[in-house]
Amino acid sequence: EPEVTQTPSHQVTQMGQEVILRCVPISNHLYFYWYRQILGQKVEFLVSFYNNEISEKSEIFDDQFSVERPDGSNFTLKIRSTKLEDSAMYFCASSGDSDGELFFGEGSRLTVL
Amino acid sequence: GESVGLHLPTLSVQEGDNSIINCAYSNSASDYFIWYKQESGKGPQFIIDIRSNMDKRQGQRVTVLLNKTVKHLSLQIAATQPGDSAVYFCAEIRHSGFQKLVFGTGTRLLVSP
Repeated sequence: EPEVTQTPSHQVTQMGQEVILRCVPISNHLYFYWYRQILGQKVEFLVSFYNNEISEKSEIFDDQFSVERPDGSNFTLKIRSTKLEDSAMYFCASSGDSDGELFFGEGSRLTVL
Repeated sequence: GESVGLHLPTLSVQEGDNSIINCAYSNSASDYFIWYKQESGKGPQFIIDIRSNMDKRQGQRVTVLLNKTVKHLSLQIAATQPGDSAVYFCAEIRHSGFQKLVFGTGTRLLVSP
């Protein structure tokens, strides 16, 4: 069964460092998303991406965040200068159409020290 | 370290019982609702969805009920099994052409053998 894969599964970084989280969406999907979940809290929308551009972003997704689809398979989330409060589980998701089912990856846990 | 975050409501049931998990949503303009299951350390997994033009939808062992009058969703799991133990989230979509899911707080389901 096709699945969304994310790397790394866990990353520990120092405050102020740049982090790149990687995702390989399901191959024929066109819509891509990042969500995050701070420990013990709700899953929160960060950004959606379609046709090589951001289609919507939340207030969490400030100038420190960026997304990119550098090639035909990867979808990345970059945090330029991490803060303690960026510590969370980051989930990538993809869907085949704008109102199709979202398929989530297993997440990348980011710990900022 | 101190755990910060929302205290999840917990539903404890015996194996074989039926479980009912409730969710209140916030936006009367939402037109699509999804129940997700999240096992420890994993991403949200789609269970069942329902559109706002329906009030009931059945899947395999699961039923979702939608009451738009009071903005309430429920997930019924028949013959609950230990493998059903997880956190269950409802999510609403405030349709903007892309699936910006707004997740609820979540309910932890514990199934005892």
